Amino acid sequence: GESVGLHLPTLSVQEGDNSIINCAYSNSASDYFIWYKQESGKGPQFIIDIRSNMDKRQGQRVTVLLNKTVKHLSLQIAATQPGDSAVYFCAENHILTGGGNKLTFGTGTQLKVEL
Amino acid sequence: NAGVTQTPKFQVLKTGQSMTLQCAQDMNHNSMYWYRQDPGMGLRLIYYSASEGTTDKGEVPNGYNVSRLNKREFSLRLESAAPSQTSVYFCASSLRGGRYRGNQPQHFGDGTRLSIL
Repeated sequence: GESVGLHLPTLSVQEGDNSIINCAYSNSASDYFIWYKQESGKGPQFIIDIRSNMDKRQGQRVTVLLNKTVKHLSLQIAATQPGDSAVYFCAENHILTGGGNKLTFGTGTQLKVEL
Repeated sequence: NAGVTQTPKFQVLKTGQSMTLQCAQDMNHNSMYWYRQDPGMGLRLIYYSASEGTTDKGEVPNGYNVSRLNKREFSLRLESAAPSQTSVYFCASSLRGGRYRGNQPQHFGDGTRLSIL
């Protein structure tokens, strides 16, 4: 079946270091992926997305890498700050029959930034 | 521009009671979604509405009903609440749907925390 999972449930990094959060997916037909950040008591917040015709996409302090050969996705956060502490989810996008899109989420990785 | 707004933020119900969770978006999005989030299970899709006037079941629709009231509003109803429905409920919307077919991210509200005793 389809699944999207994360390798590490908790990641602790020092402030100023780079963070790498990993994600594996199983559906080789997936063509669109999204990273979300969820802070305590809030809803998931869109960070960055990538389409399967790309292998890298950069945003502000974040980079997403896609390796379709091994069905692996990663989120890199440069110069991690205390405000980056949150749970990070990768999501795999499927187009629904009715025309919307469905996201299949992993269980999330807790990023803790130590001062 | 508030994005996706959910009400109420918190609710406690007794088993067998009914209630409706409200969701509204001001981004002129076509598609709207309801998810539940449980510890260790990520978010799971309950129902979705690809465009105004349509609704479809997601992964876990049992015990729920939805109404796409207009393009802005999408409500989720629990007719007879059960303890297994204790969860955090998120509404989301995306541009996708209608005449727009490209991939687009979903944008989420801040959730309704529902406890059923």
